[in-house]
Amino acid sequence: GENVEQHPSTLSVQEGDSAVIKCTYSDSASNYFPWYKQELGKGPQLIIDIRSNVGEKKDQRIAVTLNKTAKHFSLHITETQPEDSAVYFCAASKGNAGNMLTFGGGTRLMVKP
Amino acid sequence: GAGVSQSPSNKVTEKGKDVELRCDPISGHTALYWYRQSLGQGLEFLIYFQGNSAPDKSGLPSDRFSAERTGGSVSTLTIQRTQQEDSAVYLCASRPVAGNYGYTFGSGTRLTVV
Repeated sequence: GENVEQHPSTLSVQEGDSAVIKCTYSDSASNYFPWYKQELGKGPQLIIDIRSNVGEKKDQRIAVTLNKTAKHFSLHITETQPEDSAVYFCAASKGNAGNMLTFGGGTRLMVKP
Repeated sequence: GAGVSQSPSNKVTEKGKDVELRCDPISGHTALYWYRQSLGQGLEFLIYFQGNSAPDKSGLPSDRFSAERTGGSVSTLTIQRTQQEDSAVYLCASRPVAGNYGYTFGSGTRLTVV
């Protein structure tokens, strides 16, 4: 089955700096890659996703890149703010009838003011 | 409703007791998932419901865990004879059947077994 690895497990940055979280996946048939943000005491929230027919997607300060050949994708957050502090999860799925998401292990991002 | 609703938000139970956790998915979402998240850990898949198909129970950790989904909507996760290692946040998510989209998660039920 699919295996998703996520790095780093923790990331500390200064407010205003950029943060990058990387994930690799094992199943070349995977074609959908969402990212979730989980704040303390809440469920994960979808913040951005990318499909395999594009290489990059941006939404204000966040962007995701996908390299299908290397089977890795990354989340980029620019101009980080304290409210970006949370746990971020990447995931992958094949988009078949089950569309089961396989999650990475999570990255705890801390933005220091 | 507007989102995925889970109840209770917190549950403290004594070891050996049974507990029921409820999930009310977004209206029209036919796919429903249960995950478990231990303190500071990732998301562990438990069970998946899709319409009228037989559920995928491959993630249930033991036969003390079961789940059902009535009428294709509300789901209940039952843990029998709870153990301390069952303490975790139990998350429910739903998704539209059509298309390849991410899940919408509820806020979870924090279960503490004492």
